[in-house]
Amino acid sequence: KAGVTQTPRYLIKTRGQQVTLSCSPISGHRSVSWYQQTPGQGLQFLFEYFSETQRNKGNFPGRFSGRQFSNSRSEMNVSTLELGDSALYLCASSTQQGANAEAFFGQGTRLTVV
Amino acid sequence: GDSVTQMEGPVTLSEEAFLTINCTYTATGYPSLFWYVQYPGEGLQLLLKATKADDKGSNKGFEATYRKETTSFHLEKGSVQVSDSAVYFCALSEEGTYKYIFGTGTRLKVLA
Repeated sequence: KAGVTQTPRYLIKTRGQQVTLSCSPISGHRSVSWYQQTPGQGLQFLFEYFSETQRNKGNFPGRFSGRQFSNSRSEMNVSTLELGDSALYLCASSTQQGANAEAFFGQGTRLTVV
Repeated sequence: GDSVTQMEGPVTLSEEAFLTINCTYTATGYPSLFWYVQYPGEGLQLLLKATKADDKGSNKGFEATYRKETTSFHLEKGSVQVSDSAVYFCALSEEGTYKYIFGTGTRLKVLA
């Protein structure tokens, strides 16, 4: 069974640009979550989608957005990039997000903003 | 709000030493608790979990017990190996919130 696939693995963008990251969950998983990982802030929750609906959102500015498609694949978009957006962006999928659900993480997309 | 506090790293141990990584949490409800491990260049992998008070999660020689009275979920291993070198994250998840809250991570380095 294939794991969670994130593309691309690495990205370099300049300030002011926008970027789209992609996540393909494990087959059969309908919940997809996104996290930002930085050395200073650790792992911070961005948002979670289930069956194309956003069920929860973290404390990030509106420049961060996401969506989920009918095949459960998800994308996140960051507009007007800032230097502080440089981070590892991790996607996780699960059969359902809840207290007992195990989240399976992808290897992440390393975004560098210059 | 909910939060997870982990001991600061890095933790450096010799092979076969005993490992403890402390984790305490604050939550309004009855969360499930998890330990995830991250190897260099990789995403996070679930190491173990516990879903209710007094549950003990265990995997690959690691174990942790859900202690509601002390709001703790300390990770232990009796004899670490060089291959255990990684960053360990404690996390909680509450039903209905659809998210994990992670600690800051503790880097473990095991020397041969």
